[in-house]
Amino acid sequence: GAVVSQHPSRVICKSGTSVKIECRSLDFQATTMFWYRQFPKQSLMLMATSNEGSKATYEQGVEKDKFLINHASLTLSTLTVTSAHPEDSSFYICSAMDPVWNQPQHFGDGTRLSIL
Amino acid sequence: AQKITQTQPGMFVQEKEAVTLDCTYDTSDPSYGLFWYKQPSSGEMIFLIYQGSYDQQNATEGRYSLNFQKARKSANLVISASQLGDSAMYFCAMREGSSYKLIFGSGTRLLVRP
Repeated sequence: GAVVSQHPSRVICKSGTSVKIECRSLDFQATTMFWYRQFPKQSLMLMATSNEGSKATYEQGVEKDKFLINHASLTLSTLTVTSAHPEDSSFYICSAMDPVWNQPQHFGDGTRLSIL
Repeated sequence: AQKITQTQPGMFVQEKEAVTLDCTYDTSDPSYGLFWYKQPSSGEMIFLIYQGSYDQQNATEGRYSLNFQKARKSANLVISASQLGDSAMYFCAMREGSSYKLIFGSGTRLLVRP
């Protein structure tokens, strides 16, 4: 069964709306979670690393004020796309992992975000 | 330079046959891990197999095996006895040093023909 739950699976909303996406680890405590963005027919691009109890670490070129990340507990990280615009439309997917070296990242099912 | 290179944008294979998906990597760190994930059209990322840089033997998981050639820096995925449900995108990824970040390749789209 799924070890990482991501919600919602699909969002369609108007330009200017803020959208919150939740990522929950179900079977283990995840001190670290990751947020990715994927454009059609492309690979996953890491946006940020979410650390429980501290600020997220953003990759170069990712706007911190645009993509707010909160990791308030060991099982939940949230990504909020603030004042979303059509160019923010994409597939967003999170992952979580047991902090053991050879363990894989387990991914949520992703969120398809469409901004009209 | 690309850290992970997947040179096959698309591959076809006949059902029940084996197929090899190529992956080469570039790192100067002696400690690294290599992962393969499957992404069906529905979008979820499914972990398939892992190979550590210090592992002496090639990893195997059911119908999946990893042909790890360290000197050539390649970590090809072999899928045996292909099934229609194997049609998907396949991504090779690497984790290096003490970082938990994954670096993904561009992916290979596999289509299994009946």
